[in-house]
Amino acid sequence: LAKTTQPISMDSYEGQEVNITCSHNNIATNDYITWYQQFPSQGPRFIIQGYKTKVTNEVASLFIPADRKSSTLSLPRVSLSDTAVYYCLVGDGGATNKLIFGTGTLLAVQP
Amino acid sequence: EAGVAQSPRYKIIEKRQSVAFWCNPISGHATLYWYQQILGQGPKLLIQFQNNGVVDDSQLPKDRFSAERLKGVDSTLKIQPAKLEDSAVYLCASSITSGGTQETQYFGPGTRLLVL
Repeated sequence: LAKTTQPISMDSYEGQEVNITCSHNNIATNDYITWYQQFPSQGPRFIIQGYKTKVTNEVASLFIPADRKSSTLSLPRVSLSDTAVYYCLVGDGGATNKLIFGTGTLLAVQP
Repeated sequence: EAGVAQSPRYKIIEKRQSVAFWCNPISGHATLYWYQQILGQGPKLLIQFQNNGVVDDSQLPKDRFSAERLKGVDSTLKIQPAKLEDSAVYLCASSITSGGTQETQYFGPGTRLLVL
């Protein structure tokens, strides 16, 4: 089964760029890589998704190397409100290829 | 656009009692998911519906959990009887079509269950 590995936690300061790397060595050929953000007492929220190379939207960038065995979520100039848990997701490779949420990365942004 | 609605937001019950959660997905979304999120862990998929049919319920403890999605819209998740280890947040999500990994899931606020 496909599995993701992320750091448990990261610390940063306001205004810095934060990069969270996720490894997914067994990603399926047709699988996408998706990142979600979750604040306390809320459901996860979609941030960004990609298949290969680089994807950028209004809140983040996603870098995926050619072998697709890892990916890096980049948050430019973080603020206190970016403090949350960030999940990297791929399919589990099973019959329905459902998404598997790991424990995620708790990003703590300090002033 | 209205988001995914869930009720109740909080529920406290004693073990061996039963409880039910309700979810109203985003209008027009074909796929509906129920997740269980235990404190400190990521959400775990319990059951996935496409319209009113079950796509995946491999992680649903079927001896005590049941779910239905009548008419392919609203859904209810029931626990009977509840155990202490069922204390968690129950999240409902929906997506537009078939629920593949490339499809964005939209989550509701969740129902926080405490079993005493």
